[in-house]
Amino acid sequence: EVQLVESGGGLVQPGGSLRLSCAASGFTFSSYAMSWVRQAPGKGLEWVSAISGSGGSTYYADSVKGRFTISRDNSKNTLYLQMNSLRAEDTAVYYCAKGEAAAGTSSWFDPWGQGTLVIVSS
Amino acid sequence: SYELTQPLSVSVALGQTARITCGGNNIGSKNVHWYQQKPGQAPVLVISRDSNRPSGIPERFSGSNSGNTATLTISRAQAGDETDYYCQVWDSSAAVFGGGTKLTVL
Repeated sequence: EVQLVESGGGLVQPGGSLRLSCAASGFTFSSYAMSWVRQAPGKGLEWVSAISGSGGSTYYADSVKGRFTISRDNSKNTLYLQMNSLRAEDTAVYYCAKGEAAAGTSSWFDPWGQGTLVIVSS
Repeated sequence: SYELTQPLSVSVALGQTARITCGGNNIGSKNVHWYQQKPGQAPVLVISRDSNRPSGIPERFSGSNSGNTATLTISRAQAGDETDYYCQVWDSSAAVFGGGTKLTVL
């Protein structure tokens, strides 16, 4: 069974940093692109970032470009999201999600993790 | 940037057919994916590549995509179908979600 478990969320002050992790199991991690998708309280889904299976290609939403960095450690079956210069508008539940192919930008997201809540507030 | 437009809400009588639309410029040329999200839970894929139903998704769920509109169709709507639905595409190396539609089953 494919499982994705996020961790690392919490309360952080504006301008601060946080690193999210997503531990994957049940599939050959390096063969699939992965993404982060977030959802602000009471709002819709917003794609944040994607990374190819090899880690060689990364993609970002304009809203986080230059502040967030996606990475992966295929030896540890773990996806990361380093978030710097956090703003109040980054407050959201952050989900990791598996793509259906190694390429980063063509597939659906299935499955999703349970999410981890990030609150940016002073 | 590419935009997807969904109605904020759709209502359907119990047992009838619900249709949730997703509008976008020439969306028919893209692969559209649909997700169901129940309160407090992660989204679940219900339709991939316009009309493909993943394992475990009831046959009542179907999809189509042509021109400027993609449609998620839920036949014989049940009380358990009452929740939020999102469409998604890729454009210029970025994933785009529609704003979401709340389905109400009357």
